[in-house]
Amino acid sequence: EIVLTQSPGTLSLSPGERATLSCRASQSVSSSYLAWYQQKPGQAPRLLIYGASSRATGIPDRFSGSGSGTDFTLTISRLEPEDFAVYYCQQYGSSPTLTFGGGTKVEIK
Amino acid sequence: QVQLQESGPGLVKPSQTLSLTCTVSGGSISSGDYYWSWIRQPPGKGLEWIGYIYYSGSTYYNPSLKSRVTISVDTSKNQFSLKLSSVTAADTAVYYCARDLVWEYYFDYWGQGTLVTVSS
Repeated sequence: EIVLTQSPGTLSLSPGERATLSCRASQSVSSSYLAWYQQKPGQAPRLLIYGASSRATGIPDRFSGSGSGTDFTLTISRLEPEDFAVYYCQQYGSSPTLTFGGGTKVEIK
Repeated sequence: QVQLQESGPGLVKPSQTLSLTCTVSGGSISSGDYYWSWIRQPPGKGLEWIGYIYYSGSTYYNPSLKSRVTISVDTSKNQFSLKLSSVTAADTAVYYCARDLVWEYYFDYWGQGTLVTVSS
């Protein structure tokens, strides 16, 4: 089973700053099958990025995804107040099995 | 606009079977373009995929839960369901149903989630 490790666990930043979130896989992941989600308290996760770098419908262009192999990154170019939330990466592997990372919390500094 | 809504008991006793249903509106579960998944999240923790079903009835389960999980579909009602047997306190979680595109494997629509507590 592929394990996804997200870092840092918590990111303390101010509005307007750039956020860089990491998702590292224990084995190589097809870029086609790497997604990112945002979750706010009491809400279901919301799809942000699929295929490692494609933005989902309605997602602002300040969100971008990159990476390949075992290292993937979600970047928020300039944090807006509504971006403070928990972010999860997710991959699909053979078996089939889908797994999520442990999450990165982006909090207001 | 597709909507998914979970329903079922919020409290289940240990050793019993947890049963939830997801009702899909705004789209047909029989379209063939999607898998229909269950995902859970223990309080304060991360997300765990439980399994998914195709409209034909084909299922795929998380190996860690496979022995206790059954997912079924009722296309006439546009619903799919989850049964998790022999539950313990560790199964206490918010349970989400979600849709993922066949061959894409990401979740584009989610239900709001329902908290299921396992307690006597």
